Parts: sequence; structure tokens; C-alpha cells
Amino acid sequence: AQSVAQPEDQVNVAEGNPLTVKCTYSVSGNPYLFWYVQYPNRGLQFLLKYITGDNLVKGSYGFEAEFNKSQTSFHLKKPSALVSDSALYFCAVSPPVSGSARQLTFGSGTQLTVLP
Amino acid sequence: SQTIHQWPATLVQPVGSPLSLECTVEGTSNPNLYWYRQAAGRGLQLLFYSVGIGQISSEVPQNLSASRPQDRQFILSSKKLLLSDSGFYLCAWSTNTEAFFGQGTRLTVV
Repeated sequence: AQSVAQPEDQVNVAEGNPLTVKCTYSVSGNPYLFWYVQYPNRGLQFLLKYITGDNLVKGSYGFEAEFNKSQTSFHLKKPSALVSDSALYFCAVSPPVSGSARQLTFGSGTQLTVLP
Repeated sequence: SQTIHQWPATLVQPVGSPLSLECTVEGTSNPNLYWYRQAAGRGLQLLFYSVGIGQISSEVPQNLSASRPQDRQFILSSKKLLLSDSGFYLCAWSTNTEAFFGQGTRLTVV
């Protein structure tokens, strides 16, 4: 069975500083990996994904994530945080297509707070 | 472009009343459809998914049911709501490589 771990419930960072939100996964085969962001009382918005290719993936709003197969990690990063980045972030993993319904497994979420 | 509509945005229902939440998708055919519940603003629990009309898979036993009467319509229902059904419900559809979410329904059972 696949699983995703986000070890930090809360991450605080000062505006302008770099941020990292951690994610590790467990899945058979080569995973599809995703990051989503959720603002209060809203649905999840897609940020970026890793399917194959370059291990460094660039996404929306200046975010990027690095796929590390040996460490089974997919940490979300941004060089310079903005107050508006404050939100709940979810990492998700999906197994390679097997012909059945694709199922995303989500981590428990990390609340990012960027302090002015 | 593809869009997903979910309604209502908020709902307050008494215990024992029925529930019907609707989700429709535009701009794609034969999508995989999902219902998730999010409790206390944190983790997402997959409730149901569907690979086609009339095909529903349930992930966890619960007081809820789902139906897919049309290709791009997914309905979450309950005959009698419980207090524990309160939460934030999210509909989603997916391609082979990503998923798209509705704006969610905040359900409060009183």
C-alpha cells in the first residue's frame, strides 16, 4: 500500500527567507508525486507534479520540488517566502497507471505560516 | 478547458435529515471521480471513487453513499445525517497524471 508522510504539522518562516515543506513517500514502482495548496474553506489547488524526467520540478507561484528517489522524498521549496504563501500544503502520491482508477494518497498536511 | 462545479458551498442540516451534494465536471469525458472528506481542516480521507457511470467504490464504511447517474455527475448522499458527518467535503476528478478539486462544501450537522 502506498503512503505519504508530512512530518511537520506546522512550519513558520519569516518573509523573504527560503522555505521547505517536507514530504516522504512509500509506493511500489515509480511514483507520481504532487503538491497541492489549500486556502481556508477552499478546495485544493494544484501546485506541481513529478511524473518523470528532471528531478527538480518547477510549479506555480515560484514553488519547486525535488524528487529524491534514494531518500523517497519530494520536498517543496521556495527561495523567498511571501506572507501570501501562508496556507495548508498537501503532498500526494499516486502509483503508476495500472488500468484501475488512479487514487491519490494524501499526506496529513503542513500548515505554512509566513511571518511579516 | 476543464472545470469542476461543486455545490452548495455551505450547508447546515439537522441530525437525521437527508443529504445530497452534487458535483459536475465539464470539458472532459469519462473522468475518474472522487469524494473526499476533510475533518478539522487537515487530512483528506477518500470516501468514494468512480471509474464510470454506475460504478462506485467505497473506501470506508460510513453513513454515506455515492452515485454516478451520468458520466460527469457525481452525487454524495445520506438518508439520515449524523453529527459525525460534519466536515468539509471535496469532489475531484483526475486524468492519468493529476487531479482537480472542486471548491468544497462545508457541512455542519446540528
